Amino acid sequence: QEKVQQSPESLIVPEGAMSSLNCTFSNSASQSIWWYQQHPGKGPEALISIFSNGNKKEGRLTVYLNRASLHVSLHIRDSQPSDSAVYLCAVASSGSWQLIFGSGTQLTVMP
Amino acid sequence: EAAVTQSPRSKVAVTGGKVTLSCHQTNNHDYMYWYRQDTGHGLRLIHYSYVADSTEKGDIPDGYKASRPSQENFSLILELASLSQTAVYFCASSETGTNSDYTFGSGTRLLVI
Repeated sequence: QEKVQQSPESLIVPEGAMSSLNCTFSNSASQSIWWYQQHPGKGPEALISIFSNGNKKEGRLTVYLNRASLHVSLHIRDSQPSDSAVYLCAVASSGSWQLIFGSGTQLTVMP
Repeated sequence: EAAVTQSPRSKVAVTGGKVTLSCHQTNNHDYMYWYRQDTGHGLRLIHYSYVADSTEKGDIPDGYKASRPSQENFSLILELASLSQTAVYFCASSETGTNSDYTFGSGTRLLVI
């Protein structure tokens, strides 16, 4: 079954800095890859998805996908204290009905 | 506004008792899911459904049953609650399975004593 690993477990950055989060997966045939944001006491919310090799930019978010190295990264430009949350990487395996989630990265943006 | 609503928000149950967690969605989505979240384990899929009156097992179905009586409602049933089932449970819905984003509820915090 697909395995999803995230790093680092926690990340502390100052306000205005770039936050970079990493995710590796085990199957190059994986289909969609998603990033979710989860604030304390809330359910995860979808942020951005990527299906093809390369990068995708939406506002302050940029995602890079490299299927050959089984790696996807999320970069948050001009990080704000409100960005402080757990970020979950989720991967859909080919032929599967489900998303497999990583254990998350706790991002803290210091004012 | 389209939403996924879970009830109760929190519950304390005794070991061996029956627990039912409920989920209602107004998204008109075909797919619904039950996940549990434990510290250090991320989200793990328990059961899912892609049509009313049908449910499928996920990765960790042991000790859990699911029921989908209508497109809008999806329940998770713990017939004999155990200490190891203490966790936060999330329900989610999606339009087309893994090619569309999941909408999650706010979760149910279950403590089994």
